[in-house]
Amino acid sequence: QKEVEQDPGPLSVPEGAIVSLNCTYSNSAFQYFMWYRQYSRKGPELLMYTYSSGNKEDGRFTAQVDKSSKYISLFIRDSQPSDSATYLCATTGYGGSQGNLIFGKGTKLSVKP
Amino acid sequence: GAVVSQHPSWVICKSGTSVKIECRSLDFQATTMFWYRQFPKQSLMLMATSNEGSKATYEQGVEKDKFLINHASLTLSTLTVTSAHPEDSSFYICSAGRAGGANEQFFGPGTRLTVL
Repeated sequence: QKEVEQDPGPLSVPEGAIVSLNCTYSNSAFQYFMWYRQYSRKGPELLMYTYSSGNKEDGRFTAQVDKSSKYISLFIRDSQPSDSATYLCATTGYGGSQGNLIFGKGTKLSVKP
Repeated sequence: GAVVSQHPSWVICKSGTSVKIECRSLDFQATTMFWYRQFPKQSLMLMATSNEGSKATYEQGVEKDKFLINHASLTLSTLTVTSAHPEDSSFYICSAGRAGGANEQFFGPGTRLTVL
């Protein structure tokens, strides 16, 4: 079993839809969870960062972590064509910036006008 | 804040030559930098972890003599692909963690290497 599983999609939604992106992980030691957005031929951009279980909201984006089921989600409200990108979940069990991130494969999202 | 740059953004080289890629944290100090490679439609694969002033730690299966990493200062790490071969063609991305910061990594824009 891979440490982080993520459905690669592609996922296509109409503009304005609510998007739900999900990952599962296997190691209960993971405590830090991130979502990155990557446009084609660009480096990943940190979108959301959460520690342990709970929700975190930032504008149209909500990150959710359920440690009991080892499930992490990213919700995008009122999706826009500019949200079209690949979304990568990542996690690590280490505190501090020295922690190695373990990435999911990424979900390619397309928001149609 | 937390901007990471990479240079060059793309490079084409002949087989057998060496290529150096620079990764800089522009507005913060990075005690640790990470080097990843990414193949088309694949996720990022960690190659090595680079700590300022010490030897890099390489992931299993990554040849340290082929991928030379130097982290000479708190704002600069370099990756040199030695004796490049066509199979080394990939997208190389670095990331940096802020000294004393939370567990966040900030990524550079990546370098696309094509070996002919």
